Amino acid sequence: SQKIEQNSEALNIQEGKTATLTCNYTNYSPAYLQWYRQDPGRGPVFLLLIRENEKEKRKERLKVTFDTTLKQSLFHITASQPADSATYLCALGDYGQNFVFGPGTRLSVLP
Amino acid sequence: GAVVSQHPSRVICKSGTSVKIECRSLDFQATTMFWYRQFPKQSLMLMATSNEGSKATYEQGVEKDKFLINHASLTLSTLTVTSAHPEDSSFYICSASPPGTSGGSYEQYFGPGTRLTVT
Repeated sequence: SQKIEQNSEALNIQEGKTATLTCNYTNYSPAYLQWYRQDPGRGPVFLLLIRENEKEKRKERLKVTFDTTLKQSLFHITASQPADSATYLCALGDYGQNFVFGPGTRLSVLP
Repeated sequence: GAVVSQHPSRVICKSGTSVKIECRSLDFQATTMFWYRQFPKQSLMLMATSNEGSKATYEQGVEKDKFLINHASLTLSTLTVTSAHPEDSSFYICSASPPGTSGGSYEQYFGPGTRLTVT
């Protein structure tokens, strides 16, 4: 069955450093992968989408890579700020709009 | 753009009663909406896909007679939790995708969620 892992459950980093979150998957060939941010008690907010034929996407301080051979996506936040503290979810999808979410990584950026 | 609202944001009900949650796309039409459930410190679990004008598609293990979904218009889907029990207490979130662009653009826009507590 499909399995999505996000390493790790929680990540603490110092303000100004680059945060790197990992999303690994097995038994799935997604057409695209997405990253979302979720704050406590709120719905997720879409951040970035990267398609299977794309290697890298950037948006301001965010960068996503997608390696379909390794079945892995890396999500980077450069020059991290305390306001970046949240849970980050990866989601895999196919062209039928079927989504599967990973368990999330809780990021804490320490001042 | 692409705003999704939910109502109510928080509801407390007694065991055995029914609760209706509304999900609206405010600035786009959504032929498809999704309903998720999220337990504390866990990820989102898809419950069902709501299709405008037709029956919802439920995920395995989700009781369709307990979680009634109605997608009456292109901007409104409702989830009714019937005969609610304490184990139904959870965070319910809906989402919708704006019409796709060329090549597909399937980012989902989520509502703010509804916290259901069944006592």
